[in-house]
Amino acid sequence: GAGVSQSPSNKVTEKGKDVELRCDPISGHTALYWYRQRLGQGLEFLIYFQGNSAPDKSGLPSDRFSAERTGESVSTLTIQRTQQEDSAVYLCASSLQLFYEQYFGPGTRLTVT
Amino acid sequence: QKEVEQDPGPLSVPEGAIVSLNCTYSNSAFQYFMWYRQYSRKGPELLMYTYSSGNKEDGRFTAQVDKSSKYISLFIRDSQPSDSATYLCAMSASLGGSEKLVFGKGTKLTVNP
Repeated sequence: GAGVSQSPSNKVTEKGKDVELRCDPISGHTALYWYRQRLGQGLEFLIYFQGNSAPDKSGLPSDRFSAERTGESVSTLTIQRTQQEDSAVYLCASSLQLFYEQYFGPGTRLTVT
Repeated sequence: QKEVEQDPGPLSVPEGAIVSLNCTYSNSAFQYFMWYRQYSRKGPELLMYTYSSGNKEDGRFTAQVDKSSKYISLFIRDSQPSDSATYLCAMSASLGGSEKLVFGKGTKLTVNP
């Protein structure tokens, strides 16, 4: 079956612009996760969804970051007024249920110039 | 002390060698333990998923969890050049109604032909 997909695969944007990143999880997976991975660094957990709800938003780096999920399916991560330090690969993962193994998408490589 | 510690390497071994990758953790609440493999410019790929202490084997890969020592390992037997990648440990727990997810920073492995 289809895996986790993310779009766009690459995004170059100017500092100060808003960007929207999309994640399509594996069908039927109730849990969805967003991570950030800076060059040469490990995974930084941002937020997770159980269904359409995000119980804990404390991992989001700043109030410029927001995320939503609809229909227990697609999720979008929005970064407002992008900064150069936002440049990273943003990875999405989904799992059948919370605490189950996660399957990752290929990521969106964001470059803020 | 960081919640999850993983030696970043790099680790370089000859083809056919047995590889040992390790992580230590400090939070005894972690219950689920995972190993991911990440090739360059790709999303992480789940290799092993374990819940309890003990060993779990899958082909050339063996995952080991020692909850008493807060120590997990991944062994790769008969290593191949195609095993060259970054290996990330990950662990999760349910805390106060919220899921806590933490990844190690990853160990970069090179298997030389």
